[in-house]
Amino acid sequence: DAGVTQSPTHLIKTRGQQVTLRCSPKSGHDTVSWYQQALGQGPQFIFQYYEEEERQRGNFPDRFSGHQFPNYSSELNVNALLLGDSALYLCASSLDAGGEDTQYFGPGTRLTVL
Amino acid sequence: GNSVTQMEGPVTLSEEAFLTINCTYTATGYPSLFWYVQYPGEGLQLLLKATKADDKGSNKGFEATYRKETTSFHLEKGSVQVSDSAVYFCALGNQGGKLIFGQGTELSVKP
Repeated sequence: DAGVTQSPTHLIKTRGQQVTLRCSPKSGHDTVSWYQQALGQGPQFIFQYYEEEERQRGNFPDRFSGHQFPNYSSELNVNALLLGDSALYLCASSLDAGGEDTQYFGPGTRLTVL
Repeated sequence: GNSVTQMEGPVTLSEEAFLTINCTYTATGYPSLFWYVQYPGEGLQLLLKATKADDKGSNKGFEATYRKETTSFHLEKGSVQVSDSAVYFCALGNQGGKLIFGQGTELSVKP
């Protein structure tokens, strides 16, 4: 049973560029959440997707956008990259039905903005 | 708003010592509480959870009890091993919603 997978593992971009990160949820899960983890900090919630719609959003600017596909996989897009966007980006999946609220995390994508 | 506060690290212990990592929370409603562990260079792994007051979550020798009266969810282990060295995150979540994390507590266990 595959867990949550993310790609790429590492990414280096320059300021002003755009980036797309990808996530495949755990088998059977239909909800995907994205988090940003700065060095030495706890993860911060970016947004959550369910049924291909953004259901909740954290305190992140519109430069952060996402998408969920019919197979439940998801993308996180960040436009006009800033140095401060350098972080570990974590994807988590969960199953909405039945009120299950446990989120399972992938290994993350390490983004470095130069 | 909802928030989580963890004791500051790093915590350094000798092998077989007793571990406590304090976690307190502020929340409206009845959130679920979680402990996640992050090993160097990796994502977060769920360690244990509790969904209602007085529930005890346990896994791999770690335990935490959901205390509504003191709004706490302290992590404990009776005898730590070198392999337990990692960063531990306390988190709260509402049904199906976002998780709110504490700042993390780094644990270092020496042989």
